[in-house]
Amino acid sequence: KAGVTQTPRYLIKTRGQQVTLSCSPISGHRSVSWYQQTPGQGLQFLFEYFSETQRNKGNFPGRFSGRQFSNSRSEMNVSTLELGDSALYLCASSLLGQASYNEQFFGPGTRLTVL
Amino acid sequence: GQQVMQIPQYQHVQEGEDFTTYCNSSTTLSNIQWYKQRPGGHPVFLIQLVKSGEVKKQKRLTFQFGEAKKNSSLHITATQTTDVGTYFCAGLSDSGYALNFGKGTSLLVTP
Repeated sequence: KAGVTQTPRYLIKTRGQQVTLSCSPISGHRSVSWYQQTPGQGLQFLFEYFSETQRNKGNFPGRFSGRQFSNSRSEMNVSTLELGDSALYLCASSLLGQASYNEQFFGPGTRLTVL
Repeated sequence: GQQVMQIPQYQHVQEGEDFTTYCNSSTTLSNIQWYKQRPGGHPVFLIQLVKSGEVKKQKRLTFQFGEAKKNSSLHITATQTTDVGTYFCAGLSDSGYALNFGKGTSLLVTP
């Protein structure tokens, strides 16, 4: 089976712009979770989608949003970018989701740099 | 809210020495998962513990889940340079729906 893929792998934006990141889960997986990883804060949970519905949300401002399509592919959007949004954004897929004790399969991440 | 604390933040050992990282939660956990992230890579699932007092082994790695299900540890015996990376624990609280990750322990092994 192909692994989790994320596009683009690298992105450079300027403050105030918006960005859309994409994640394709492992075939058959219905849950996609998004995380922000920074050196100081570790892995911080953004949100989880399951069957096109947001199931859980972390403690991030409303500038961070996401969605999931019927084929389980997911996108996350960050509007009005700030310097502090520079991070590695990881998505992880699982068969039924975090609450079902499923292991998370992480993608390679998108490295976002905000200038 | 639930917090998962992980210590130490960094550990530098000589090859052949042992290594242990500890994970502590403020609330009871339903499960604990451990992940390893190599430098420049992404987290990779290692193992999941669910039962109170559970101990699991993977070759040189030993994972424990505390009796109270509030703490866990990962012990590596006789480290090798291939063990280099950051080890994360992640727990699901009894009333929670999302995994809470610790900040990780970065292990450096010098030959």
